[in-house]
Amino acid sequence: DVKVTQSSRYLVKRTGEKVFLECVQDMDHENMFWYRQDPGLGLRLIYFSYDVKMKEKGDIPEGYSVSREKKERFSLILESASTNQTSMYLCASKSTGRSNEKLFFGSGTQLSVL
Amino acid sequence: DAKTTQPPSMDCAEGRAANLPCNHSTISGNEYVYWYRQIHSQGPQYIIHGLKNNETNEMASLIITEDRKSSTLILPHATLRDTAVYYCIVRVPWDSSYKLIFGSGTRLLVRP
Repeated sequence: DVKVTQSSRYLVKRTGEKVFLECVQDMDHENMFWYRQDPGLGLRLIYFSYDVKMKEKGDIPEGYSVSREKKERFSLILESASTNQTSMYLCASKSTGRSNEKLFFGSGTQLSVL
Repeated sequence: DAKTTQPPSMDCAEGRAANLPCNHSTISGNEYVYWYRQIHSQGPQYIIHGLKNNETNEMASLIITEDRKSSTLILPHATLRDTAVYYCIVRVPWDSSYKLIFGSGTRLLVRP
């Protein structure tokens, strides 16, 4: 069964801390994504990567960075966490292909920044 | 800037068909319609997608009107586990690629 695994289900951090959210997929997908989901705002794309060491900004990249050193792993980094980054973070992956938008999502990480 | 319109909520009885409508009147000729659902506390799950013809898989059926301006997702025999938010999505051009915009979706409640 295909899988996207996010390292933590719940995370509590303090303002100013550096936070790492890890995501691993076992489907050999080229493309990986980080979204955040907030009530009333839906899913918003933070960053995505279409290949190892490649990254592209999404709609709301400010305050975040990413790392893709290996094909199966895509990390989201909050350099200095702030309370407005409290959210549900969702990782997704998909293979490359014309008209292919079949995303596979992880279960999410609920991050609380105090 | 979602390109789709869905009712905010619906309900149906367990065992009955759930028909979830979606309007996408500005869809272009070569764009697919995608459906995802999100069960509480989980990530979204792909259900089905289609271009012109009706599609069916083990989860659902997708009926697309001839003018492609609307579609209906059908869960033929809804169960309590189908209670979720259902998203109808048309991808939008973005830079040199595309992206999916998840709107507010339809919150489906399946009643016992």
